[in-house]
Amino acid sequence: SQTIHQWPATLVQPVGSPLSLECTVEGTSNPNLYWYRQAAGRGLQLLFYSVGIGQISSEVPQNLSASRPQDRQFILSSKKLLLSDSGFYLCAWSGTDNSPLHFGNGTRLTVT
Amino acid sequence: EDQVTQSPEALRLQEGESSSLNCSYTVSGLRGLFWYRQDPGKGPEFLFTLYSAGEEKEKERLKATLTKKESFLHITAPKPEDSATYLCAVQAPQAGTALIFGKGTTLSVSS
Repeated sequence: SQTIHQWPATLVQPVGSPLSLECTVEGTSNPNLYWYRQAAGRGLQLLFYSVGIGQISSEVPQNLSASRPQDRQFILSSKKLLLSDSGFYLCAWSGTDNSPLHFGNGTRLTVT
Repeated sequence: EDQVTQSPEALRLQEGESSSLNCSYTVSGLRGLFWYRQDPGKGPEFLFTLYSAGEEKEKERLKATLTKKESFLHITAPKPEDSATYLCAVQAPQAGTALIFGKGTTLSVSS
């Protein structure tokens, strides 16, 4: 069966520091991969999605970037965090058709 | 612009008191409507996919229905363990297989 791993679970970082969140998927090949952010009182906001290695689409201009160095690895990064980057970051995977997204358990990021 | 609106934002029920959650959507060429359950501090858990108007799906005390403009999640005789935030999402043609989510309905069921 397929599993998705996301780490760390919680993270507290100072403003201006770098960020790297990692997500890996097991049990499937060539998944579509996604990064979402969930802020208090708001819905899930799509940040990036990827249909293959090195293929990244950005949905919202921001202080963040994403990379997919391997088929089942998706990384969310920032060179300098802002206070507004605080939130709950969720990684997800899906098949290549109209199948549902399956989410990891998220990373709670607090920028201080 | 594609949008998903869920109502109510919050719902409090007594155990056994049935009710419905609403999800209205505006999207060109719906390719799927998805319901998720999210517990505090966790990622959303997939419940149902509906693809065409008139379709219904059931799972335990939950039943999802779909019309051309909205979807309902009916909760029959809820229990305290049904307390969670329920999210509705539609597939966004301009973003491949990505989903556009509503803000969710937070359900609290008391015994």
